[in-house]
Amino acid sequence: GEDVEQSLFLSVREGDSSVINCTYTDSSSTYLYWYKQEPGAGLQLLTYIFSNMDMKQDQRLTVLLNKKDKHLSLRIADTQTGDSAIYFCAEVQAGTALIFGKGTTLSVSS
Amino acid sequence: GAGVSQSPSNKVTEKGKDVELRCDPISGHTALYWYRQSLGQGLEFLIYFQGNSAPDKSGLPSDRFSAERTGGSVSTLTIQRTQQEDSAVYLCASSLTATTDTQYFGPGTRLTVL
Repeated sequence: GEDVEQSLFLSVREGDSSVINCTYTDSSSTYLYWYKQEPGAGLQLLTYIFSNMDMKQDQRLTVLLNKKDKHLSLRIADTQTGDSAIYFCAEVQAGTALIFGKGTTLSVSS
Repeated sequence: GAGVSQSPSNKVTEKGKDVELRCDPISGHTALYWYRQSLGQGLEFLIYFQGNSAPDKSGLPSDRFSAERTGGSVSTLTIQRTQQEDSAVYLCASSLTATTDTQYFGPGTRLTVL
């Protein structure tokens, strides 16, 4: 497909792991990003991965990249209620702007 | 240091009026971007400035939209003869140099066209 695709909703319980998946469009994308948007707020950079990496870990966050399948995932360990937000996957190619998915709304219940 | 700032935070206007939205990028960032976030369309790229090069206007939805960047810093997005479908949150981002550098976003301007 031509769009960056994400599932629209994910609901988890506090303390569980959350996995948000994304399929991107272009195998030549150099960087892939995860942004977080809380209600009424702007976009906050969460983490990113360079295209020559398979995995990146940053505290509770783990990003996995499968270039063959153009699949990106974000795992949040020990999910907290403060993690409730919309998560956007984005790709960038040299000389272009970010191309975003529609966002995944993560709902965390206590 | 200061992040990307945008003003106003909210703007309500009447259909047919012109509006100007302002963006102050992070000091030292040479690349500046405008995006639009609306319910139906998600996050869309509008325009991109890089240094003194001609801007990439490929995302502008119509000729009612224009943007300029003065002195390589502050940018203004102008929407002429606003329509109700222009209602959205307009986000500005900046990055150090190229598009492959991390883009940092401002809080956005929520535009409502009545």
